[in-house]
Parts: sequence; structure tokens; C-alpha cells
Amino acid sequence: DIQMTQSPSSLSASVGDRVTITCRASQGIRNDLCWYQQKPGKAPKRLIYAASSLQSGVPSRFSGSGFGTEFTLTISSLQPEDFATYYCLQHNSYPLTFGQGTKVEIK
Amino acid sequence: EVQLVESGGGLVQPGGSLRLSCVGSGFTFSYYDMHWVRQAAGKGLEWVSAIGSAGDTLYAGSVKGRFTVSRETAKNSLYLQMNSLRAGDTAVYYCVRGRFLDPDGYCGQGTLVTVSA
Repeated sequence: DIQMTQSPSSLSASVGDRVTITCRASQGIRNDLCWYQQKPGKAPKRLIYAASSLQSGVPSRFSGSGFGTEFTLTISSLQPEDFATYYCLQHNSYPLTFGQGTKVEIK
Repeated sequence: EVQLVESGGGLVQPGGSLRLSCVGSGFTFSYYDMHWVRQAAGKGLEWVSAIGSAGDTLYAGSVKGRFTVSRETAKNSLYLQMNSLRAGDTAVYYCVRGRFLDPDGYCGQGTLVTVSA
């Protein structure tokens, strides 16, 4: 199974901050990676697909990068509605695996 | 508008069975592989099972032999038959549309399964 190691597990940031979250795959997964945002009590919402492509309707302050084993999700200027938990998902091989999640909290 | 609507969750005793359903609309259901993902309270997301457009199936090790995924194209429906349920299966179960390299990805609102005596 491919392990997805996500870091940090949580972070505190202020509105306007630049935030970076990292996922590392235990083996190469090309660009077969998505990023999801989840708010309490809600379903996950996909933000990024193919590691760096923005899903339609997602604000441009979100961006993704990476290929192979190292991936990042960046929020260029954190907004109040961005406080949530973020997950990466690899879909290169089964079983599909998620990162452990990063909770973004208000400083 | 694409929608995925799950149903069938509820309270079940350990060792019991439950069948979840997911109805898709707003897209060509038969074209997509479909997935079940679950989330225990306060925990992360866990992939459970998938079924391809041709009916091929895959399972997480934790549910293999106990859960069965199926689909009924004529009803745009996805199912998850869960047998021999354990307390550890307690979670919100989400239906997720596959083809993850497509520009749009969708997830249902989830249905809660509680396994308890």
C-alpha cells in the first residue's frame, strides 16, 4: 500500500497568511493526487486534481504543485472561510489512501 | 447539476447487516467508477471500496470479505452491502464519483452508520 504522510497535522494562522501543507508518498504516484477541504459536519470538497489543477469554482488563492512523491497545497492569502481540515488523496494505485489531514485553525 | 445522495444508514447491532445506497444524477452514471469512503467521528478519511464502470470491484483490507459493492446502471445507483458489522465500522459513509483526473469531482453528503449493542 502507498502511505501518504501529510504535514503538519495542524497549524494556526491568521487571515492573510500564506499557508503550505505537504504530502509525501511512500512511492512515486506521478501526479495522481487530489486535495480536499472539509469543514465540520460537512462532506469533503475537492479543491485540486492532477496535483496542480484547480477544480472549477475554487478560488485562485488555492494552488497545488508536485510530482512523484512530494506535493504541496498552498493558500496564498488565508481567508476566514478557509479554516478547515485538508486532506490529500492518492489515486495512483489501490487501495486509495488519504493523508492524515491538516487542521487549519485561527491564530 | 451533479448530485450524489446516500441513504440507508442507521443503528445496527454488532454482527448485523446494513445496505447503503447512493443515487447519482446530472451525469452519465455508467461512465464513472464509483467509490465509498468513510470517516469515523473525529478521524480522517478512509477509502473503503470501488466499483468500475464494467463492474470490477476492489476493497480495503479492513472490509474485504464482509462488504460487497455493486451498481445498478438503470437506476443510476451504487450500493454497499455491509455484513458482520463491527464497532469499528461506525462512521459516516460517503459516495464519491471516480475518474479523479476529470476536472470536476463530487462527493455525497454522507450517511451515518452506527454499530452498537
